[in-house]
Amino acid sequence: AQKITQTQPGMFVQEKEAVTLDCTYDTSDQSYGLFWYKQPSSGEMIFLIYQGSYDEQNATEGRYSLNFQKARKSANLVISASQLGDSAMYFCAIPLPNSGYALNFGKGTSLLVTP
Amino acid sequence: DTAVSQTPKYLVTQMGNDKSIKCEQNLGHDTMYWYKQDSKKFLKIMFSYNNKELIINETVPNRFSPKSPDKAHLNLHINSLELGDSAVYFCASSQDLLYNEQFFGPGTRLTVL
Repeated sequence: AQKITQTQPGMFVQEKEAVTLDCTYDTSDQSYGLFWYKQPSSGEMIFLIYQGSYDEQNATEGRYSLNFQKARKSANLVISASQLGDSAMYFCAIPLPNSGYALNFGKGTSLLVTP
Repeated sequence: DTAVSQTPKYLVTQMGNDKSIKCEQNLGHDTMYWYKQDSKKFLKIMFSYNNKELIINETVPNRFSPKSPDKAHLNLHINSLELGDSAVYFCASSQDLLYNEQFFGPGTRLTVL
């Protein structure tokens, strides 16, 4: 069965520092996509970044980048120059097979950015 | 011009009641979903619909019945509500392609007393 693991239930980072949120996955699909979403305390789900399994370069979106290591089945999210507004839950996700691309989410990491 | 909207945002009801949550997307997407987020923030897919047809039902009790009158709407009806149904329910939509982000609605917080 497909599995997404986020081993850090909670993380702290100081403002302006970089932080890495871990995600490992187990899938039998040969071709897949990896997604990261942010959920602030207000509750909405915000798409951050996507990585295709056959993309040769790591994805970047502004201050977000993915450290994608396909052989190790890991897709860690790196947030550079953390801001107070980055405090939120972060979820890694991968589509479930034969599901209309429904997302299978990890349990999330709660990030707190301190001044 | 909200992309994915849900109503109501909050729903408080008694055990045993029947309630509905409505979802609409104006993005022209082919696929819509219902997710449940429990009190520990764990998000799990419940249903996936593509062009009004059910794709998956992830072991959800048959008290939950999704209805898709057209591609833009996916409503969730829940019969005989139980305490364990208390959660936040998210509707989402995406284009029918593997590598597309899903757009989420704002969520409906359901509290069963």
